[in-house]
Amino acid sequence: QIQLVQSGPEVKKPGTSVKVSCKASGFTFSSSAVQWVRQTRGQRLEWIGSIVVGSENTNYAQKFQERVTLSRDMSTTTAYMEVSSLRSEDTAVYYCAADLGRETADYWGQGTLVTVSS
Amino acid sequence: DIVMTQSPDSLAVSLGERATINCKSSQSVLYSSNNKNYLAWYQQKPGQPPKLLIYWAATRESGVPDRFSGSGSGTDFTLTISSLQAEDVALYYCQQYFGFPLTFGGGTKVEIK
Repeated sequence: QIQLVQSGPEVKKPGTSVKVSCKASGFTFSSSAVQWVRQTRGQRLEWIGSIVVGSENTNYAQKFQERVTLSRDMSTTTAYMEVSSLRSEDTAVYYCAADLGRETADYWGQGTLVTVSS
Repeated sequence: DIVMTQSPDSLAVSLGERATINCKSSQSVLYSSNNKNYLAWYQQKPGQPPKLLIYWAATRESGVPDRFSGSGSGTDFTLTISSLQAEDVALYYCQQYFGFPLTFGGGTKVEIK
């Protein structure tokens, strides 16, 4: 069955970076896109960006353009999101989601809690 | 950016009754070349990731009960739960995927009255 398994929770200090992984299985990874979304305590969902796995083409929300890098490793069917220059406002649950061709977030990972605290 | 506005923020409905959630986009999400509305609805239960319910504004995802239906076009959309069940208690979000950045509504909390 389709699964997206994300890496575990992280606690980071302000100014540092974090890299979250998203291991995909059960579908043709190379024909998909992976979206990244975060959810803060207030429950609001915020789209970060997406990567088309086959072409490595990326799109980012402008507010994340300078600090987020999306990548993928086709040999391990894993997508990655790295966020740099972390600040307390980046404390959130980060989700990856597979887009199987409809441009929607069809299947979601379990989420990764990133806590930024000094 | 396309701003998505949901209403109400929360609603309490009796079991078996109808629940209606509204979503309005700041610009049309109807793509004229294919006549499709790039609007999706997600359900999120406590402690779980969101789950896709509806795409193209009105197409139910496989496995989603038929008590869930989506309607609307252009800028105004509705998610209806025709007969609320206990397992439908959740947060519901609309999302436009007409253009980048993709944007979500603020969410509607559905509870049992």
